[in-house]
Amino acid sequence: QSVLTQPPSVSGTPGQNVTISCSGSRSNVGTNTVSWYQQFPGTAPKLLMYRNGQRPSGVPDRFSGSKSGTSASLAISGLQSEDEANYYCASWDDSLNGRWVFGGGTTLTVL
Amino acid sequence: VQLAESGGGLVKPGGSLRLSCAASGFTFSDYYMSWIRQAPGKGLEWIAYISATGSYTNYADSVKGRFTISRDNAKNSLYLQMNSLRPEDTAVYFCAKELIPLFLGFDFWGQGTLATVSS
Repeated sequence: QSVLTQPPSVSGTPGQNVTISCSGSRSNVGTNTVSWYQQFPGTAPKLLMYRNGQRPSGVPDRFSGSKSGTSASLAISGLQSEDEANYYCASWDDSLNGRWVFGGGTTLTVL
Repeated sequence: VQLAESGGGLVKPGGSLRLSCAASGFTFSDYYMSWIRQAPGKGLEWIAYISATGSYTNYADSVKGRFTISRDNAKNSLYLQMNSLRPEDTAVYFCAKELIPLFLGFDFWGQGTLATVSS
């Protein structure tokens, strides 16, 4: 059972817009920022978004992130086939002397 | 930036493994580091972090008392000593570099090393 809650799967057709949600609590998302990671099968996760909505260099601006209260979301506009991957949200949690918590992951399928 | 894990393998329940992570391309001693694992077909689970100097550490409840994170800044290396291993510890173990300022996320990850706990 992950501390942050994500939908197990989302899907869309090429060109569509999709959103992945991430729900937490006051001690994590409600107090700290959210980061997002993209992972292809058999590879390491890659940082996609940090500080809720900041993109590292090299990440297309089709990806955007936001946070409100204890929830965050990752939006992908103009879906492309190469976006098919697993996506994870993460946040620092102030409980238990401080720890990182992750969402359970969302599999994005491009139909 | 490069992070390269090693030390994984097959071990029996109750056994031990020591994972290493060799860092290069950045000033290792300036950054917090974490170990994060992924069981087969499952999601990511943070298991331990260590401060830049090594003074502060913390662990997930699932490994507290069994695993020890450490670092050698002179050797640009991060370690994870895993004792009393259980089948549920079977996973790919990633080392990850934390952003500065702290608590913003992990900007670089190693390729992972697989630890399998089975009789």
